[in-house]
Order: sequence, then C-alpha cells, then structure tokens
Amino acid sequence: EVQLVESGGGLVQPGRSLRLSCTASGFTFGDYAMSWFRQAPGKGLEWVGFIRSKAYGGTTEYAASVKGRFTISRDDSKSIAYLQMNSLKTEDTAVYYCTRVNSSGRMADYWGQGTLVTVSS
Amino acid sequence: DIVMTQTPLSSPVTLGQPASISCRSSQSLVHSDGNTYLSWLQQRPGQPPRLLIYKISNRFSGVPDRFSGSGAGTDFTLKISRVEAEDVGVYYCTQATQFPVTFGGGTKVEIK
Repeated sequence: EVQLVESGGGLVQPGRSLRLSCTASGFTFGDYAMSWFRQAPGKGLEWVGFIRSKAYGGTTEYAASVKGRFTISRDDSKSIAYLQMNSLKTEDTAVYYCTRVNSSGRMADYWGQGTLVTVSS
Repeated sequence: DIVMTQTPLSSPVTLGQPASISCRSSQSLVHSDGNTYLSWLQQRPGQPPRLLIYKISNRFSGVPDRFSGSGAGTDFTLKISRVEAEDVGVYYCTQATQFPVTFGGGTKVEIK
C-alpha cells in the first residue's frame, strides 16, 4: 500500500525557515517524481513544486510564488522528500501536501494527509 | 500560465441523480507528445485530495465507474452518473501539460 506521511509543520515567524519531510512507503521511491502542493485555509489547491527521479536528472521545478525561497530535495536511500522553506511569509500559511507523481500520466496519484504550516508573529 | 475555469461553483444534487462539472482551459492542453494531461480530483470534507480521473477519461484505481471524464482540447467534463452521499465534497480539475501545474477553482457538490 502506497503511503506518504508529511511532518515538520508548525507555527513559525515571518522571515524564518522550516523544513518539511515526506516519508514514503509501499513503492520504489527512487523510481518516481514527487511533488508538493499547498492549500491555504478555506481556499483551493496550489502547486508548489516538483522533483524528478534521479533517472531524469533529479531536477526541480517551482511555482513563481516560491521560486528562490523554497527548495525540494530527495534522499532515495531513506525514501524521503523534503521541502525547505526559507524567508517565510504570512501568505505561505497552508496545509502542505506531498504527492507521488505518475510520470506516464503526469498526475499526482497518491497524496499524503498534509501538514499545517502557520506563518505568524 | 494556463488558467483553468470550472463551472458551476456549487452543485446541489438529489441523491441518485446525475451531476456534471465543466472545466475550461485558457489554451489547449494537448502536449507535444500527443497526450492531454487533464485530471480530476475529489476532496471530501476534512480529507486530502484524491485522484479520480487522469488523461481526460481514465479512472484511477478503486474509483467507482459512476465517475467518468470526457472532453478534448480546452473543454472537459466530469460526470457522476448517480450521486451518492459519499460523493459530497469539492472537485478540482488540474492540468499538467505545462508548468506551472494549475487548478480550477473547485466545484462544491452537495446534497439537496
């Protein structure tokens, strides 16, 4: 069974940093791209970014709203994807979801339960 | 960026009756590889999103066959043939043909 578990969320002050982790199980993690999405309270879904598998260079793509502040990385030996968030703003407050990406369909086929990040002074 | 527009915003439906949600993209979602990367997600209250349909019309594993997707180019539709109580939630269309991945604003399906 595919499982994705996000952790690392919490309350953080504007301008500070936070790192989220996504621990995967039930599939060969290194074979898949991974993506992060977020959902502000009461709002719709927003794509944050994406990391390809090592077979495709392990390169990343980001939404304009987070580019230069957020970094996605992966540790295939531990089956973990990370979202490093720097220079956090109040508008980054959201539930952050980690997803597996099915490359043939370019879709996020499995989603974690999410972790809440609150940016507030 | 590709803008995704969903209608209606809200869809009150009688149990057992059909429901239909439309999604329009600001440009064609046909990729240079010939595929159209349009998916539909369901988000039940208090739950994370769940994949229902990918590449316009392919049902994901475990998705009931009362859900179906259709369309081409810039116009797409999600249909629920007979709405059940467990179908209550918000439905999103999303495109991954071009970065950034973008979403429609969501359609809330509720029971009359």
